Amino acid sequence: DTAVSQTPKYLVTQMGNDKSIKCEQNLGHDTMYWYKQDSKKFLKIMFSYNNKELIINETVPNRFSPKSPDKAHLNLHINSLELGDSAVYFCASSQDRGNTEAFFGQGTRLTVV
Amino acid sequence: GQNIDQPTEMTATEGAIVQINCTYQTSGFNGLFWYQQHAGEAPTFLSYNVLDGLEEKGRFSSFLSRSKGYSYLLLKELQMKDSASYLCAVRGNTGGFKTIFGAGTRLFVKA
Repeated sequence: DTAVSQTPKYLVTQMGNDKSIKCEQNLGHDTMYWYKQDSKKFLKIMFSYNNKELIINETVPNRFSPKSPDKAHLNLHINSLELGDSAVYFCASSQDRGNTEAFFGQGTRLTVV
Repeated sequence: GQNIDQPTEMTATEGAIVQINCTYQTSGFNGLFWYQQHAGEAPTFLSYNVLDGLEEKGRFSSFLSRSKGYSYLLLKELQMKDSASYLCAVRGNTGGFKTIFGAGTRLFVKA
């Protein structure tokens, strides 16, 4: 019954590997996001999609590639993982890109060793 | 650009009232949000202000002054479970209506 679910919850991997994080929302929302929360707890927007269209693409290394096969899913693929990529990644969704609150997934704690 | 400032940490006593301030600078304004985040968990929505004034929701209230670039979150009748980080977030009106989060204020509620 989870509104926004992302998998996996924990991910430990070696430098140089490629990994994906999946996100799905069953709220019927049009807009989905990826945020990164680093060790200092800053929550930074990475990408946003509205009805499968990319609308926000922050200054993120191009090793990070989002994919939205439909408006209920937004996956994040990361190539050539680096130590600095270690963080908690949150997926979120909102009804639209206007003045509505975001609902967050439980987060994926990525540790690169 | 956008910039958000809020205190790093605050401590308050169970049953008391605490006010968490947030100041912001933004090139366009399209609303201010407060979220609560318990350690190791996802942020959850608390309140939204787009017009000046006070919005009350149970024990939590949020105030906004757009001319001053200022908001506060007021928590009344504090409970131990209110110990969490409180994130102030501002939505702009350009660039896809991007929402920028502050670093959060970590609130410790003591008995």
